[in-house]
Amino acid sequence: DAGVIQSPRHEVTEMGQEVTLRCKPISGHNSLFWYRQTMMRGLELLIYFNNNVPIDDSGMPEDRFSAKMPNASFSTLKIQPSEPRDSAVYFCASSHSGGADTQYFGPGTRLTVL
Amino acid sequence: AQTVTQSQPEMSVQEAETVTLSCTYDTSESNYYLFWYKQPPSRQMILVIRQEAYKQQNATENRFSVNFQKAAKSFSLKISDSQLGDTAMYFCAYYSGSARQLTFGSGTQLTVLP
Repeated sequence: DAGVIQSPRHEVTEMGQEVTLRCKPISGHNSLFWYRQTMMRGLELLIYFNNNVPIDDSGMPEDRFSAKMPNASFSTLKIQPSEPRDSAVYFCASSHSGGADTQYFGPGTRLTVL
Repeated sequence: AQTVTQSQPEMSVQEAETVTLSCTYDTSESNYYLFWYKQPPSRQMILVIRQEAYKQQNATENRFSVNFQKAAKSFSLKISDSQLGDTAMYFCAYYSGSARQLTFGSGTQLTVLP
């Protein structure tokens, strides 16, 4: 299997622009997670989907962030408008069934907002 | 809320030696899962080992083993015969069945010296 695929690997944008991060989970996995990693706050869960349905979005920092999972093989995380404090590495992870199962992480997207 | 504490921000070990990374957690739950992930300079998050709290036997994966002390809420990782490729940031993580969230510690940067 190809593992979790994320795109782009790097994104540089200017403040106020819309940013869309993409994720393809491992085939057959029914749980998908978006995390953000920063030096100050470490790894934080942003949102968790199970069977394409958002289960817990309490980690989404504010209304500028939104996530969708239109089908079992694709998810997006959108930031609109972006701000410099959104600069971080964003990880997507998937698991076979829920968070107690091993989560397999993608390579991450390094986002820089100027 | 559950917390995960890694008290060693940095450690180093000579190649072929053994090193132990510490992790403690705070919880009132009886059913949970514990993980160690490594993040090498490539930033890919890679599962090292997984432990189910209801299992008394310590998990092992080749050169990696854990010392799980449930009463003490301790979950240390032992790396035997350290290799240069083990150089990475190591994260301890706790999965709460009730909160359905994976909470990460702040990490320990391990450097294996030739």
